[in-house]
Amino acid sequence: SQKIEQNSEALNIQEGKTATLTCNYTNYSPAYLQWYRQDPGRGPVFLLLIRENEKEKRKERLKVTFDTTLKQSLFHITASQPADSATYLCALDDYKLSFGAGTTVTVRA
Amino acid sequence: EAQVTQNPRYLITVTGKKLTVTCSQNMNHEYMSWYRQDPGLGLRQIYYSMNVEVTDKGDVPEGYKVSRKEKRNFPLILESPSPNQTSLYFCASSLSRQGEGYEQYFGPGTRLTVT
Repeated sequence: SQKIEQNSEALNIQEGKTATLTCNYTNYSPAYLQWYRQDPGRGPVFLLLIRENEKEKRKERLKVTFDTTLKQSLFHITASQPADSATYLCALDDYKLSFGAGTTVTVRA
Repeated sequence: EAQVTQNPRYLITVTGKKLTVTCSQNMNHEYMSWYRQDPGLGLRQIYYSMNVEVTDKGDVPEGYKVSRKEKRNFPLILESPSPNQTSLYFCASSLSRQGEGYEQYFGPGTRLTVT
């Protein structure tokens, strides 16, 4: 089965900076890769999906890249705000959805 | 409003006392699933259902049962809960099966403690 690794450390950044999160996997590349946001004590909320033949996807201040050669996805939050503080989960969407453990982002005002 | 609801949100119980966590969605989704979330382990799928009367095991099904008698409801049953089932549980639904790029809609979660 796939092993999925996200940034092992929590990410603390200054408001206005760009946060970059990594999601690495070990086996075959999935057809899709999804990113979710999870606030404490709440269910994950879908943010973005990228297909294996897409290099980059954007949505407002969010950008996702997908490199099947490196077996890696990067998730960027540009012009970060304190309201972006949350845990971000990547999920490999193949015959099943497999989640990483998440990276907690804290944006300081 | 499109949503997935779960009940109860919090539950403290004792070992061996059967319990049911209910899940309902109002989006006419075919696919529903249950996950548990434990620190450092991420979300792990317990069971899933592709449609009414069609259910299958996920990654960690031991100690759990499910049923799908109606499209909107997908209850999770713990026949004899044990302390290692203490966790945060999420129900989720999507338009169709996984692997086809459909986003998952998650419920608010049920925090279960088994003493």
